Amino acid sequence: DGGITQSPKYLFRKEGQNVTLSCEQNLNHDAMYWYRQDPGQGLRLIYYSQIVNDFQKGDIAEGYSVSREKKESFPLTVTSAQKNPTAFYLCASRKDLYEQFFGPGTRLTVL
Amino acid sequence: AQSVAQPEDQVKVAEGNPLTVKCTYSVSGNPYLFWYVQYPNRGLQFLLKYITGDNLVKGSYGFEAEFNKSQTSFHLKKPSALVSDSALYFCAVRDNIGTYKYIFGTGTRLKVLA
Repeated sequence: DGGITQSPKYLFRKEGQNVTLSCEQNLNHDAMYWYRQDPGQGLRLIYYSQIVNDFQKGDIAEGYSVSREKKESFPLTVTSAQKNPTAFYLCASRKDLYEQFFGPGTRLTVL
Repeated sequence: AQSVAQPEDQVKVAEGNPLTVKCTYSVSGNPYLFWYVQYPNRGLQFLLKYITGDNLVKGSYGFEAEFNKSQTSFHLKKPSALVSDSALYFCAVRDNIGTYKYIFGTGTRLKVLA
């Protein structure tokens, strides 16, 4: 099965902790994206990567970090600097120039 | 700056009736427009896109969308709604300045009543 997987499905973070969300794709897509979804706010772009070893900040990058060492993988770290991290996080990859394909999401909750 | 607006937070329609979910956009140059659907606690699923060509675009699950350049709109439509169409719908526009960023609307919750 080709697709995008995200893990874990649910994640709990204590204050001051860094946590890493996994995103893997076997679609052979070059571009990958991380979004944050909050109720009533739609999707907001955190980081995106057009190609391996390169990534750019999106609209709300503060408190987050990423790496893109492999084409298949684009992990997102939520650092302790992100003061309000409770949200639903979505990873996506892009086919050619057009539509994106989304993973199932990770719901992060701060305890 | 490019933007997308979905003016309705919620749309209710009876099963079997036609449905419309509205989207307007603001972009310089030619727009690349998309509709996605999201079921609870799931990722987004691609429905359809407009890149160029015919103004009426057909997509998955019987959905279609009409591109109207003069009104800068890209409304999602379906001739006969199903209860299973109840979900959250997002309109998106991709930038055309080379960054390949996507701007999403705030979403419209569709509720189809049996």
